[in-house]
Amino acid sequence: AQKVTQAQTEISVVEKEDVTLDCVYETRDTTYYLFWYKQPPSGELVFLIRRNSFDEQNEISGRYSWNFQKSTSSFNFTITASQVVDSAVYFCALSEAQDSGTYKYIFGTGTRLKVLA
Amino acid sequence: NAGVTQTPKFRILKIGQSMTLQCTQDMNHNYMYWYRQDPGMGLKLIYYSVGAGITDKGEVPNGYNVSRSTTEDFPLRLELAAPSQTSVYFCASSPPGPPGYTFGSGTRLTVV
Repeated sequence: AQKVTQAQTEISVVEKEDVTLDCVYETRDTTYYLFWYKQPPSGELVFLIRRNSFDEQNEISGRYSWNFQKSTSSFNFTITASQVVDSAVYFCALSEAQDSGTYKYIFGTGTRLKVLA
Repeated sequence: NAGVTQTPKFRILKIGQSMTLQCTQDMNHNYMYWYRQDPGMGLKLIYYSVGAGITDKGEVPNGYNVSRSTTEDFPLRLELAAPSQTSVYFCASSPPGPPGYTFGSGTRLTVV
């Protein structure tokens, strides 16, 4: 069965600290996609990154970086030099193709990040 | 380009009342979805649609109904609202092929 585990319920850091949000997934498929979304206090879901299962190359976007390791079924997210504006709930999600042609998302329960000034 | 538009943004319902959550997208996406997000939880799929006239149940469909008469619209109907349906509801759409959801801004529903 597909599953996404975000074991860290809440993390608090002081501004400018680095922080890593963990994501572990389970799937039997060889083709799948992994995502990170940010949900700020305003409530909308903001897309951060999509990674397919055949691309294990790590990615960096400004202060954000992602470490995808198929060997450990992990897709961790690091924020470097955190800022107060990074305070949000972050969701990791797994997506696989369904027979209908749609892609079903399995979301983790989220990690609430609090960045203190 | 508005993307995915959900209305209303907030609503309080009394137990037993009914309502329709509206969702419209202007990207000509075939696929549309309804998710609910309970406090401290991730999103769970309620219903989805692969095109006009075609809908199917997701993970948590009980207490809800949907219809898809046009490509643009995918309303979610709550009949006989219950406190367990207190949640934030997100509509999303995507084109065929590898996933790339566009989410609406959500509807916060409270049933009292």
